[in-house]
Amino acid sequence: KQEVTQIPAALSVPEGENLVLNCSFTDSAIYNLQWFRQDPGKGLTSLLLIQSSQREQTSGRLNASLDKSSGRSTLYIAASQPGDSATYLCAVSDRRDDKIIFGKGTRLHILP
Amino acid sequence: SQTIHQWPATLVQPVGSPLSLECTVEGTSNPNLYWYRQAAGRGLQLLFYSVGIGQISSEVPQNLSASRPQDRQFILSSKKLLLSDSGFYLCAWSYGASGTMNTQYFGPGTRLTVL
Repeated sequence: KQEVTQIPAALSVPEGENLVLNCSFTDSAIYNLQWFRQDPGKGLTSLLLIQSSQREQTSGRLNASLDKSSGRSTLYIAASQPGDSATYLCAVSDRRDDKIIFGKGTRLHILP
Repeated sequence: SQTIHQWPATLVQPVGSPLSLECTVEGTSNPNLYWYRQAAGRGLQLLFYSVGIGQISSEVPQNLSASRPQDRQFILSSKKLLLSDSGFYLCAWSYGASGTMNTQYFGPGTRLTVL
């Protein structure tokens, strides 16, 4: 049974710092991995999607990496801004269908 | 372009009352549809998913049910709400055709409080 774990559960960093969020999954037979952002009381926004054959994806100040063999992914945020404060969720898709399994998220707070 | 709608945005219901949350998708055909719940202090949990009209798969046994009466309409229901049904309910869709990226696109969500 696939399980997704995110560490840390919460993180506070000063504005301007670079930071890394971690995600691990137990079954390496994934179709893809996604990173989402959730603002309080709102729906999810998809940030980056990495196919199982890819190693990383970049969008602006965000870079996500995938190491399937070790069951790990990281989300790197460069030059953090207060607007980056949100909960970041990692999710993996099962190879056999469209279901995705989410981690519990990392609550990020960027201090002005 | 595709859009996904959910309503209501917020809902306060007494224990034992019925529930109906609606989700509709525009701008695409034959999408896969999903209902998720996020309860306080927990991760996002998949409740139901559907690959076509009348086809519903349940992931978690509970007092909730889902229906898909039309291609782009997904309804979450309950006959009698429990306190534990409180949470934030998200509907999502993805392309259903094989070979396409299965990114899921989420609606704005419904915050349900059961008193």
